[in-house]
Amino acid sequence: GNSVTQMEGPVTLSEEAFLTINCTYTATGYPSLFWYVQYPGEGLQLLLKATKADDKGSNKGFEATYRKETTSFHLEKGSVQVSDSAVYFCALSAPTSGTYKYIFGTGTRLKVLA
Amino acid sequence: KAGVTQTPRYLIKTRGQQVTLSCSPISGHRSVSWYQQTPGQGLQFLFEYFSETQRNKGNFPGRFSGRQFSNSRSEMNVSTLELGDSALYLCASSLVATNTGELFFGEGSRLTVL
Repeated sequence: GNSVTQMEGPVTLSEEAFLTINCTYTATGYPSLFWYVQYPGEGLQLLLKATKADDKGSNKGFEATYRKETTSFHLEKGSVQVSDSAVYFCALSAPTSGTYKYIFGTGTRLKVLA
Repeated sequence: KAGVTQTPRYLIKTRGQQVTLSCSPISGHRSVSWYQQTPGQGLQFLFEYFSETQRNKGNFPGRFSGRQFSNSRSEMNVSTLELGDSALYLCASSLVATNTGELFFGEGSRLTVL
């Protein structure tokens, strides 16, 4: 079946450090890929997405490229800020029984220190 | 534009009781999904409703049930509560159920079972 695997946290970085959160997936067909972020006490919100191979999603300085050959969608940011501290979820959406179903990774907690 | 509203935000129940959680989607959104979030398991898909019909169901026991009303509002019910049901229950809405569509999440209902 379809699945998403992302690196376990927590990830602790100093402000202005480079961030990579790895995400790989298993899916039949051509899924869409997403990164969602959850700030403390809040629900998830979409950070970026890519709907086909080689697409690059970007938002707020975060980027991720849909790599079909390596089935990956790693999240990167060149210089993190304290305000980026949150839990990041990789997700895919793929056809299932005539509709579409989201599958989320287990989340990676990021802590950025000033 | 109002976001997804979930009620109640917090609740405490004892084993064996039942609970009903409510979700009001963004106006115009017809698809509502429910997820269970726990520290160890991440987000687990419960079910998805579209135009009052359940289109997808996750791997949860029959104690977990849901429904959607004609105004797209949704409720989920958990009967015979167990300690392991303690979790954050998240509702998400989307305009239509597509593989490229963004999910809009509420802040969740945090259930504690004693």
